[in-house]
This record gives sequence, structure tokens and C-alpha cells, in this order.
Amino acid sequence: TQLLEQSPQFLSIQEGENLTVYCNSSSVFSSLQWYRQEPGEGPVLLVTVVTGGEVKKLKRLTFQFGDARKDSSLHITAAQPGDTGLYLCAGARRVNKLSFGAGTTVTVRA
Amino acid sequence: GAVVSQHPSRVICKSGTSVKIECRSLDFQATTMFWYRQFPKQSLMLMATSNEGSKATYEQGVEKDKFLINHASLTLSTLTVTSAHPEDSSFYICSARVQGDTQYFGPGTRLTVL
Repeated sequence: TQLLEQSPQFLSIQEGENLTVYCNSSSVFSSLQWYRQEPGEGPVLLVTVVTGGEVKKLKRLTFQFGDARKDSSLHITAAQPGDTGLYLCAGARRVNKLSFGAGTTVTVRA
Repeated sequence: GAVVSQHPSRVICKSGTSVKIECRSLDFQATTMFWYRQFPKQSLMLMATSNEGSKATYEQGVEKDKFLINHASLTLSTLTVTSAHPEDSSFYICSARVQGDTQYFGPGTRLTVL
């Protein structure tokens, strides 16, 4: 069983629509990272959230860390084909280790 | 952000041979690097934590004699897959911890064992 449950597993939307990816756990994390990965490449860091209740914005992407630091969400506004990829959340419970969610494959159709 | 490189990007080898994969931190020093394995359409699975100047720490179920890790300098960690078999074929990715819990990932190495 995964420590971090990501949902949905797959998401296919039309260009211009909004989407939200969720990352949930029963464990508390000291920080949580979101990554985007394209086929055949390594994950690229999007954001790190540390404080409970924290909201970070990166252009059309909004990241939220739950008040209890057990869950997080990624919201994309007006999605574009370039947003297509595998989105991974990863939580840190102990120094030096990240636990990854199973990932959400996002496809944005032109 | 911090840059991590991997070499080679892809390698094809015969069953029974050994393959070495290099992971370098290009613009920073990394006392801790990590090695992950990723199967198609799946998430990353941590194999081991590589610590500069000391032995690597392996995750449960990962054979340390099969996957040899060396972290001889603050900018280089190597993973050697010994006596590779077709079931070792996978996408291997390294990462380096910069500060706090954040890790920056290399571009990955696609290993195919024939």
C-alpha cells in the first residue's frame, strides 16, 4: 500500500479546462513536493510546501498543503497541451527519504 | 534549480554483464544522493540512499550485492548493476538532496538487458 494516495490516476481534459489532482495520507509530513515527469525523462520539481495551510502559485498552477500536513492538492487553471505529463506528489516524513504517490497521468487535448 | 546529470542516458547490454550508471551534481555538492527504479507507467521506487564517504543504505528487498553503489565524492555517485538479467531492465533515476527534504532528479537511464 502506498503511503500517499493520489487521485485520480488518469485525467484527460480539453484545452482550457481546469483540473485538480489530490494527494492524501493518514501520515503527517514535514514537507511535500510536487513533480512533473515526461516520458523518458526524470521528474522535474514544481514546488515544495512546508507549512500547514500553505498555498503556493506558479503561473496557472496552485498548490495547497492541508492544515494538518497530511494532504495536498494541485490545481491547474486553463490547462494547455504543454501541461500534459505524469504528476507526482512526494512527502517527507524522515530526513533523507521521500515517499511517492502512484502518480496522475494528465492528458490535455488541443 | 540544481542540476543533476546521469550517464549514460540509455544502455543495452547482454545478460550476465555489469553496467555502471553515473550520477553527478553539476553546480552543487551533494552529501546524499538517491537511486530510484521506475517501471512503465508506475511511480518511483526508492532503491537506496547513497552517502558520501560511507556505505549506502538499501531499501528492504533490494540486493546490495546486485546493485553496488559508490559515492566517492561530493558530486558523483555510481550505481553498478552486476550480472544483469532481463528482469533488471528498467528506468533508473538518481536524485540529490539540496536542502531540507527537496530532491532534484537526473534525467534517468534506460537499461535494457537482452
